[in-house]
Amino acid sequence: DAKTTQPNSMESNEEEPVHLPCNHSTISGTDYIHWYRQLPSQGPEYVIHGLTSNVNNRMASLAIAEDRKSSTLILHRATLRDAAVYYCSPFGNEKLTFGTGTRLTIIP
Amino acid sequence: DAGVIQSPRHEVTEMGQEVTLRCKPISGHNSLFWYRQTMMRGLELLIYFNNNVPIDDSGMPEDRFSAKMPNASFSTLKIQPSEPRDSAVYFCASIPYRGGRAFFGQGTRLTVV
Repeated sequence: DAKTTQPNSMESNEEEPVHLPCNHSTISGTDYIHWYRQLPSQGPEYVIHGLTSNVNNRMASLAIAEDRKSSTLILHRATLRDAAVYYCSPFGNEKLTFGTGTRLTIIP
Repeated sequence: DAGVIQSPRHEVTEMGQEVTLRCKPISGHNSLFWYRQTMMRGLELLIYFNNNVPIDDSGMPEDRFSAKMPNASFSTLKIQPSEPRDSAVYFCASIPYRGGRAFFGQGTRLTVV
């Protein structure tokens, strides 16, 4: 399994951008980089995924390093509803697993 | 589509009883994953299926745990006999194709007393 390293926790002020980093140095060439988040008392929900190029959707942006060994999830304008645990996971032909994730706290 | 449906949402059972958790994946998805989440161990992958075939069950903690996927629209996770340490939230997720985004159910909160 590809190993991931994320900060245990981060804080951000409301309406400010948030950059959540992830290291996945053992990622295989065919793995996509997935990001999920889990709000309190809910199941994980998909945020975004990409292979090599940076990706944008209505929830977030994903910036992928050129060597693919790290990525950054960008929330452009954090709201209180973005407070959650964020997980990154390389995923392709094998199993989708999750590390401990980053607990994001939004300060009003 | 109603999404991934898990039942029951909550289950309270006595130690030693058999527990069966159910999951209905999204139609057309060909992979299904079962997870267990606890405060201590986080979100653990128990087993996953591709095209109804179990591919990797290395995360199943003990022989007391078993999972089946008799057809593309239904999967079960059974614990027999259950123990208090099995108390957790169990999630299933379905994925349309390898590498695609996962859709999670709302989970089953299991309490074994």
